[in-house]
Amino acid sequence: GQNIDQPTEMTATEGAIVQINCTYQTSGFNGLFWYQQHAGEAPTFLSYNVLDGLEEKGRFSSFLSRSKGYSYLLLKELQMKDSASYLCAVRDQSVGSARQLTFGSGTQLTVLP
Amino acid sequence: ETGVTQTPRHLVMGMTNKKSLKCEQHLGHNAMYWYKQSAKKPLELMFVYNFKEQTENNSVPSRFSPECPNSSHLFLHLHTLQPEDSALYLCASSQEGGHEQFFGPGTRLTVL
Repeated sequence: GQNIDQPTEMTATEGAIVQINCTYQTSGFNGLFWYQQHAGEAPTFLSYNVLDGLEEKGRFSSFLSRSKGYSYLLLKELQMKDSASYLCAVRDQSVGSARQLTFGSGTQLTVLP
Repeated sequence: ETGVTQTPRHLVMGMTNKKSLKCEQHLGHNAMYWYKQSAKKPLELMFVYNFKEQTENNSVPSRFSPECPNSSHLFLHLHTLQPEDSALYLCASSQEGGHEQFFGPGTRLTVL
């Protein structure tokens, strides 16, 4: 099974940088995902990490440390439209559930002007 | 239509009603999923279909019955639901071996 922890809420200012942390305890690991979900909308894929290190994609970067069971999502040059819930999810390595994702409760980010 | 679509977007039903949720994906994927999203709780995986065969059923009550007639369509049949079943029900699809799951906009279900 999986246990995933992330902060419930965060607030930051437009133009700033914010880091959203995620820790996990797993019985198997086959990748960590970050999704963005605006209120009333579908989650959309942001990033995928399976090896240790930093993956950069425009204003968003995601970091993974498998030995520490730790990831973070870094958002730079924050914009008002970045206000959303950010979901951390881990894929189990178990046979028969290789595509099964376990989600954290999400971090609600509010960007203030 | 592109991506993953779900109908209806909103549904209110009584505890004795029978209704169905529909999901359709236009991405050529071969895996489809049903998730439940309740307020302040993590997304919960309910069912997984791979090549139309159910491969996962995460201890979901029998009042939820999935159906996958082909790799593009997925249904969730509902009967004798409870008020605590009120939630956002999300459908997703992915390519076998792929990383990303693509989500539909969800059906907001209220059980009275």
